[in-house]
Amino acid sequence: SAVISQKPSRDICQRGTSLTIQCQVDSQVTMMFWYRQQPGQSLTLIATANQGSEATYESGFVIDKFPISRPNLTFSTLTVSNMSPEDSSIYLCSVVKGLAGGPAYEQYFGPGTRLTVT
Amino acid sequence: AQTVTQSQPEMSVQEAETVTLSCTYDTSESNYYLFWYKQPPSRQMILVIRQEAYKQQNATENRFSVNFQKAAKSFSLKISDSQLGDTAMYFCAFMTADSNYQLIWGAGTKLIIKP
Repeated sequence: SAVISQKPSRDICQRGTSLTIQCQVDSQVTMMFWYRQQPGQSLTLIATANQGSEATYESGFVIDKFPISRPNLTFSTLTVSNMSPEDSSIYLCSVVKGLAGGPAYEQYFGPGTRLTVT
Repeated sequence: AQTVTQSQPEMSVQEAETVTLSCTYDTSESNYYLFWYKQPPSRQMILVIRQEAYKQQNATENRFSVNFQKAAKSFSLKISDSQLGDTAMYFCAFMTADSNYQLIWGAGTKLIIKP
């Protein structure tokens, strides 16, 4: 498996501001994903972040609103820019461990960041 | 389009009972993987069990087992001897072999284990 941490675990932000969420993995991983989860609902994929290339965004999500960095194989950040109350959600990162020792197709998740925008 | 359907928004059972959560999916692919994830109130998403479509044998992990019916495109999760700690949202998810590891998620089933 993989041990994944996220910072902050929760935050309350003013509308119009930006928040950067960090995702740290205890080992090198090829692929990382960022998800949004509205309260009581399922997960929606925001983007896929691979080291050394631009993030790939899903329909409805744009880089200006959710810029992502992936500076190395153990770390990524997601920024929620110019926030509005509609951005209030849980944001989760996940990784695929494509290394020896486990099935390459399993995803492991961070503990999530609960964001409230007022 | 590939979809995952969980038809039970919420279920509740008594502790120690057995409960089955249903999941159906739709795909024209033949090579894919199915997963059940658990998300307790702490919101940590935990992989419970996985099933490779090419395997006929149903996966089992301790008290958790699946009933994989490939022809019917059904992938139910059975929890035996349920415990209070099993209270959580359970998500069924699906991934094709050529999907670049992207998961397609069901809407989730809220499971409550009553003492």
